Amino acid sequence: EIVLTQSPGTLSLSPGQRATLSCRASQSVSGNYLAWYQQKPGQAPRLLIYGASNRATGIPDRFSGSGSGTDFTLTISRLDPEDFAVYHCHQYGLSPPVTFGQGTRLEIK
Amino acid sequence: QVQLQESGPGLLKPSQTLSLTCTVSGGSITSGSYYWSWIRQPAGKGLEWVGRIYTSGSTIYNPSLKSRVTMSVDTSKNQFSLKLSSVTAADTAVYYCARPPHVWGQGTLVTVSS
Repeated sequence: EIVLTQSPGTLSLSPGQRATLSCRASQSVSGNYLAWYQQKPGQAPRLLIYGASNRATGIPDRFSGSGSGTDFTLTISRLDPEDFAVYHCHQYGLSPPVTFGQGTRLEIK
Repeated sequence: QVQLQESGPGLLKPSQTLSLTCTVSGGSITSGSYYWSWIRQPAGKGLEWVGRIYTSGSTIYNPSLKSRVTMSVDTSKNQFSLKLSSVTAADTAVYYCARPPHVWGQGTLVTVSS
């Protein structure tokens, strides 16, 4: 099983600042099948990034994903007030079990 | 655009069997080489993969739940289903059906309580 470890657990920033979220895998994620989701209270996860670096439809270009193998990063270039939420990484490769990181809470400072 | 909708009882007693159905709309469940998944999230916690099924009926389950999980697909109804037996309070969660990573249902809360 691939264990995904997200850091930090909580990130406190102000609107307009840059956010960098990390997701580290215990072994290489095949095919870079790594996704990032944003989740707000009472809502389903919203896909931001798939394939490690591809923005999903309708996602603002301030969101970007990078990385390969075992180290992945989600960057939000300039935080908007609506960006404060929980972010999950997810490896969805063909080899199960599929796993998720424990989440990073992005809060307003 | 494919959309997913979960349905099923929201309240169960311990030892009962959880049964949920996911209805696929906006496209055929057999279109493309996709797998269809169930994912759950206890309140205030992270996401946990329950398992997945292909339209062929082939399944793969989370090893931690494997002994209690059964998934099935009904292509004539454009639906797939989850059964989880012998539930306890630890199974209380929002259950999502999904075609990861792009398509997720809105989720349905299942509470296990006596």
